[in-house]
Amino acid sequence: DAKTTQPPSMDCAEGRAANLPCNHSTISGNEYVYWYRQIHSQGPQYIIHGLKNNETNEMASLIITEDRKSSTLILPHATLRDTAVYYCIASKTSYDKVIFGPGTSLSVIP
Amino acid sequence: DTEVTQTPKHLVMGMTNKKSLKCEQHMGHRAMYWYKQKAKKPPELMFVYSYEKLSINESVPSRFSPECPNSSLLNLHLHALQPEDSALYLCASSQRNTGELFFGEGSRLTVL
Repeated sequence: DAKTTQPPSMDCAEGRAANLPCNHSTISGNEYVYWYRQIHSQGPQYIIHGLKNNETNEMASLIITEDRKSSTLILPHATLRDTAVYYCIASKTSYDKVIFGPGTSLSVIP
Repeated sequence: DTEVTQTPKHLVMGMTNKKSLKCEQHMGHRAMYWYKQKAKKPPELMFVYSYEKLSINESVPSRFSPECPNSSLLNLHLHALQPEDSALYLCASSQRNTGELFFGEGSRLTVL
């Protein structure tokens, strides 16, 4: 699995967009970018994933650069309930190792 | 049903005890995972089962013994654990064509 790097922490004002960056410069061609988040003491929750096209769902948008070496998760209107640790992972869709890095601790501030 | 159910939610055991953690999913997923998570750390992969066969063991000590009796059920048998094994144990499942993991809420284990 490709290693990813994320800033350890970020703040975001409530109601503003939260933009969480991730670098995955060694990602291979068949690896997708997955995002999960973990709210304190709960199991991680899947948010979104993509290969090379930008993706959007009801939770977030994922922007992947053309060279696929980095991506940004966008929470369009952050709420206090979005305070969590966000993990960016590069892995294949097949049954494979899914390795979590340290993630980004996002604090949404009133 | 999009849930992964883990039992028990909390477990306290002594170092000489034998106990088991249980994980169940009814989404038809053919891969199931055990992770261990210490406080303020990311989940750490322990085992992966694919089609009920152990496919990945991340050099986990033998005092942790996984078992996958059928495609819906995953157990983690615990024996002679150490206090440093106290952690949140997370189970997850996934399907091949999309790859996202569905996690349970975890079993919080305390070893005295």
